Amino acid sequence: AQTVTQSQPEMSVQEAETVTLSCTYDTSENNYYLFWYKQPPSRQMILVIRQEAYKQQNATENRFSVNFQKAAKSFSLKISDSQLGDTAMYFCAFRINAGNMLTFGGGTRLMVKP
Amino acid sequence: NAGVTQTPKFQVLKTGQSMTLQCAQDMNHEYMSWYRQDPGMGLRLIHYSVGAGITDQGEVPNGYNVSRSTTEDFPLRLLSAAPSQTSVYFCASSYSRVGGGPGELFFGEGSRLTVL
Repeated sequence: AQTVTQSQPEMSVQEAETVTLSCTYDTSENNYYLFWYKQPPSRQMILVIRQEAYKQQNATENRFSVNFQKAAKSFSLKISDSQLGDTAMYFCAFRINAGNMLTFGGGTRLMVKP
Repeated sequence: NAGVTQTPKFQVLKTGQSMTLQCAQDMNHEYMSWYRQDPGMGLRLIHYSVGAGITDQGEVPNGYNVSRSTTEDFPLRLLSAAPSQTSVYFCASSYSRVGGGPGELFFGEGSRLTVL
């Protein structure tokens, strides 16, 4: 079974600064996908970024980037130039290549301060 | 496209009552699933389906039933509600990716259920 751990229940960052959210996972699989989802106060789950385990290059989406360390089973999310609209819960999630189910971490609540 | 539609958005039940959370998607996704979200525990999988007529249990299935008679619909039934089922429920769907592919999940807006 896979597990996903987010060790930071809450974080805060000043507007325009950079923040990194941590995620570690445990699996015996070699082929899998990792995701970061954002959940703003509206409760909607929004996909932020995804990473294929077979790709060495870290994924980037505008101000969001990941640091994927496969050997260490670590998948952190870096948010650059933080904006007030980034205030949300962030969930790390894992899916094996041959399945559909996502396993989620417990979430990190991020507050961006003006 | 409507995407994934859940109803109702909010519901209050008394212990022992039954209810059905409805979920419909218009993206022709084979895979559909139900999660519950509780503080500090992220989202946990309740039940899932890989196609019409096929359902299976997830991590926390007790107290819930599902069926999948069509590709579009995947209702979640609580037969006898308990306070421990107070939670936010999410329906999510994706293309079936057995054998590969990113399999991004598309979520509904969630349903907040309170059991008194």
